[in-house]
Amino acid sequence: RKEVEQDPGPFNVPEGATVAFNCTYSNSASQSFFWYRQDCRKEPKLLMSVYSSGNEDGRFTAQLNRASQYISLLIRDSKLSDSATYLCVVNTNAGKSTFGDGTTLTVKP
Amino acid sequence: DAGVTQSPTHLIKTRGQHVTLRCSPISGHKSVSWYQQVLGQGPQFIFQYYEKEERGRGNFPDRFSARQFPNYSSELNVNALLLGDSALYLCASSLEGQGRSHPNYEQYFGPGTRLTVT
Repeated sequence: RKEVEQDPGPFNVPEGATVAFNCTYSNSASQSFFWYRQDCRKEPKLLMSVYSSGNEDGRFTAQLNRASQYISLLIRDSKLSDSATYLCVVNTNAGKSTFGDGTTLTVKP
Repeated sequence: DAGVTQSPTHLIKTRGQHVTLRCSPISGHKSVSWYQQVLGQGPQFIFQYYEKEERGRGNFPDRFSARQFPNYSSELNVNALLLGDSALYLCASSLEGQGRSHPNYEQYFGPGTRLTVT
């Protein structure tokens, strides 16, 4: 079993739709959590950190559930430009970062 | 301000050779991490360096080594290249290193070095 697991998708949604991704992690000692987006053949770009209380940035909302060991990303009012692969990252305090393999989102007109 | 820079952008090597990849972090960032990414997978953690010391190591063989210099730039070295080492090598910088006193840090990635081993 992988340390960080994501549904690979693909998620194909129309513009304006709401879509949610989940990411589960196995290491209960994990300390910090992030979502990145990666466009084809480009480097990952930080989308948002995930805080224990949950956080929102415009159309994006991230949640953390430590008891069930998962994080989520909700995208509202999807835009064509949201099409990308979304990667979750889980860090331990031992200096290790673990990425999921990503969930692919395609937003169609 | 310049982002994270990496060199070279592309590299072709032969099995058994050695390669050195270079990374310059964002100005003011003291931590550099290295990742390997193959098609269809997320980046795999190789090393983290903070203040010139190794802070974390992933599950990679001893053929992989790295160091960080006083100006916080970093090199990743891979010896005895194998075909399976072909990948995109990403460098990420952050203000602080991951550790007990810094449970949260945000990493910013460079464009990567695409290594092909033939």
